[in-house]
Amino acid sequence: KAGVTQTPRYLIKTRGQQVTLSCSPISGHRSVSWYQQTPGQGLQFLFEYFSETQRNKGNFPGRFSGRQFSNSRSEMNVSTLELGDSALYLCASSLVSGVNYEQYFGPGTRLTVT
Amino acid sequence: AQSVTQLDSQVPVFEEAPVELRCNYSSSVSVYLFWYVQYPNQGLQLLLKYLSGSTLVKGINGFEAEFNKSQTSFHLRKPSVHISDTAEYFCAVTTGYSTLTFGKGTMLLVSP
Repeated sequence: KAGVTQTPRYLIKTRGQQVTLSCSPISGHRSVSWYQQTPGQGLQFLFEYFSETQRNKGNFPGRFSGRQFSNSRSEMNVSTLELGDSALYLCASSLVSGVNYEQYFGPGTRLTVT
Repeated sequence: AQSVTQLDSQVPVFEEAPVELRCNYSSSVSVYLFWYVQYPNQGLQLLLKYLSGSTLVKGINGFEAEFNKSQTSFHLRKPSVHISDTAEYFCAVTTGYSTLTFGKGTMLLVSP
């Protein structure tokens, strides 16, 4: 079974631009969560989608948004990029929304903002 | 709200030696606990999890962890490490659903 895939793997953007990252969960998984990983702040939860609905949201500004499609694929968008948005963005999928179900992580998208 | 503290940012150890990576958590309600490993340029892989039941949890790659409620700890151990265990290890906690709170991570450096 294919794992979680994230595209693109690497991205360089300029301050002020916007960016869209994509995540394809494991087949059959309906929950997708997004995390931001930086050396200073570590891993921080962005949001979770389940059946096209946002179930949980972390403490990030409104510039960070996401959505989930009917096939469970998810995208996250960051508008008006800032230098501090440079990070590894990780996507994780699970069968359903619930802690008893293991989250499977993708390899991440490395975003660099210059 | 819950929080996680990983007391060591780096742990150097020689190959075949035992290792313990420390994790303490804070929460006012019952928690579920996880250890993840991250190899360079990769995502996170689940090593083991504590949901309920036996406080000694065995995971993949020979790792185990013990949940200690009175000390609010969930330390990760391995009796004999290999070079291939060099990676960053994250402790995580949740009180339910899919929102995980991660510690800052501990870099395990195994040398020959």
